[in-house]
Amino acid sequence: NAGVTQTPKFQVLKTGQSMTLQCAQDMNHEYMSWYRQDPGMGLRLIHYSVGAGITDQGEVPNGYNVSRSTTEDFPLRLLSAAPSQTSVYFCAGTPGLATLVYEQFFGPGTRLTVL
Amino acid sequence: AQKVTQVQTEISVVEKEDVTLDCVYETRDTTYYLFWYKQPPSGELVFLIRRNSFDEQNEISGRYSWNFQKSTSSFNFTITASQVVDSAVYFCALSEAWGQNFVFGPGTRLSVLP
Repeated sequence: NAGVTQTPKFQVLKTGQSMTLQCAQDMNHEYMSWYRQDPGMGLRLIHYSVGAGITDQGEVPNGYNVSRSTTEDFPLRLLSAAPSQTSVYFCAGTPGLATLVYEQFFGPGTRLTVL
Repeated sequence: AQKVTQVQTEISVVEKEDVTLDCVYETRDTTYYLFWYKQPPSGELVFLIRRNSFDEQNEISGRYSWNFQKSTSSFNFTITASQVVDSAVYFCALSEAWGQNFVFGPGTRLSVLP
């Protein structure tokens, strides 16, 4: 997984609870992204960051916040969990322009269930 | 807007057969990157290959080969002499220049039967 770690691996929440999914990388990846994976829908981009202090919305950003205060960390916050947010969440890092390596390397994923 | 379509939702083959997974993409960018990823039953996402839009050479890596045709906006993946361990979901993906703004296809589930 090229140095991308995610915690926790599993999480169960009740509707309305908030929580933060952690993502960290130690390979100096320039870009970082969060995806959710739902059956039959592939991976959909939630938010991404092209560097510390810079974030942007992806395809499905509603209900989620991100920040990137350091290059290494890119947490994803669920503000008020809803059953529709039950999914598997993947964090990914891309080395980027500095290394001319543009493929994404994924963390192991977090399986989230919202009751 | 960018879009990736994977023609087959599911494919089932018998071991040692060859199988091709089709990927068709849409983009207005002149510089872009195409990728294939594998997701085995264990769930992790494994990078297989990256192809730049300005490099249409086909590539072979062991039993895997990739055919990139800009004229038809396709980036197809062939597994020769398939094995049970090839059973997985395979994703085709497209990104803008410098690896930003990835778009994934819905995936093709490949089952290789013994």
